[in-house]
Amino acid sequence: DGGITQSPKYLFRKEGQNVTLSCEQNLNHDAMYWYRQDPGQGLRLIYYSQIVNDFQKGDIAEGYSVSREKKESFPLTVTSAQKNPTAFYLCASSILTPSNQPQHFGDGTRLSIL
Amino acid sequence: DAKTTQPTSMDCAEGRAANLPCNHSTISGNEYVYWYRQIHSQGPQYIIHGLKNNETNEMASLIITEDRKSSTLILPHATLRDTAVYYCIVRVDSNYQLIWGAGTKLIIKP
Repeated sequence: DGGITQSPKYLFRKEGQNVTLSCEQNLNHDAMYWYRQDPGQGLRLIYYSQIVNDFQKGDIAEGYSVSREKKESFPLTVTSAQKNPTAFYLCASSILTPSNQPQHFGDGTRLSIL
Repeated sequence: DAKTTQPTSMDCAEGRAANLPCNHSTISGNEYVYWYRQIHSQGPQYIIHGLKNNETNEMASLIITEDRKSSTLILPHATLRDTAVYYCIVRVDSNYQLIWGAGTKLIIKP
């Protein structure tokens, strides 16, 4: 089945450690997105990418990095510079044309601090 | 800041229609309204979207007022599995960004 796969489902980070969250899609979508969700709140955009080897910062990019080497993959690294990384991380993808098409989401990765 | 306003929570009896309101008084002419729902600890699920005409699909109906300042999502026959947080979102067209508020927690009661 086509969809978006995020792994792992749960992840624990030690102080000073970088961790990478995986996001893979087989929907042949051009655009991919990373969001962060804190308890009781809506989603906030971290980074997005509309084409391979190109990406843009969202509202809360500080302490995060991404890469887009392949169309189907958009990994997110939570660096040690992110001082409050505990959150639910969601990856999404969409087609770009027509521009009104919805984003579709994976089931998320829950990151916690040890 | 979110461009939409929704009630914090709502109840609905199982089998009845659930009507979820959303205000988006500052919406621009070319901005679409999207509805998603999120069941606890899962990723958001896309429901429906529209520009100015009413829309219907297998999940729900979307009614947008003529002035486009508000909309209503209708789940015609709510079931217990429809219990979730429902988000009404207006997209910022310049970068495809979705601006998310806190949504409406809908509880379907037996």
